[in-house]
Amino acid sequence: DVKVTQSSRYLVKRTGEKVFLECVQDMDHENMFWYRQDPGLGLRLIYFSYDVKMKEKGDIPEGYSVSREKKERFSLILESASTNQTSMYLCASSWLPVSTDTQYFGPGTRLTVL
Amino acid sequence: AQTVTQSQPEMSVQEAETVTLSCTYDTSESDYYLFWYKQPPSRQMILVIRQEAYKQQNATENRFSVNFQKAAKSFSLKISDSQLGDAAMYFCAYRSGSGSARQLTFGSGTQLTVLP
Repeated sequence: DVKVTQSSRYLVKRTGEKVFLECVQDMDHENMFWYRQDPGLGLRLIYFSYDVKMKEKGDIPEGYSVSREKKERFSLILESASTNQTSMYLCASSWLPVSTDTQYFGPGTRLTVL
Repeated sequence: AQTVTQSQPEMSVQEAETVTLSCTYDTSESDYYLFWYKQPPSRQMILVIRQEAYKQQNATENRFSVNFQKAAKSFSLKISDSQLGDAAMYFCAYRSGSGSARQLTFGSGTQLTVLP
């Protein structure tokens, strides 16, 4: 089975801190994604990556950056955390850029910025 | 840009009964794919069912089936013989059929409660 893991289930940070959210997948997937989930808004794509060192902006990239130095690991970085970045963050991965491929999700990280 | 709308924030169903969750979408594309994802209280999102727009036959996976109405841009999920384990947040999602597209566009979700 595909396994996608995220470094923390719950995280509390202070405004202005630099925050790293880590995601690791164990199935050699090319594509990796970062979403944020907010009540009433569903999941919104922040960034995705289709190869090592490659990245593309999603719908809401402002205030975030990403890093993919190795195929299995995709990091989301909040350079200077703000209270409006308090949210649930979900990582996902998929195998090929074909439209029917399944995205496999991690358990999520609940980030609170005080 | 494509949009996905789930107009029912919450639904409830009695155990063993049938429930239908609604989803509509807006697109100018003719080739695309639609998905229903389930997010149980443990939060790990899993795929329930997928539908290719070029297929006229509605997808079915055990107790889960869809009613895909392409002209109406409607994609509802029917859960038959509902079980307590079906309680979850359900998300409808859209993906373009163009070769380079990878990302999904999600609706806002429907919280399903199953009553014993």
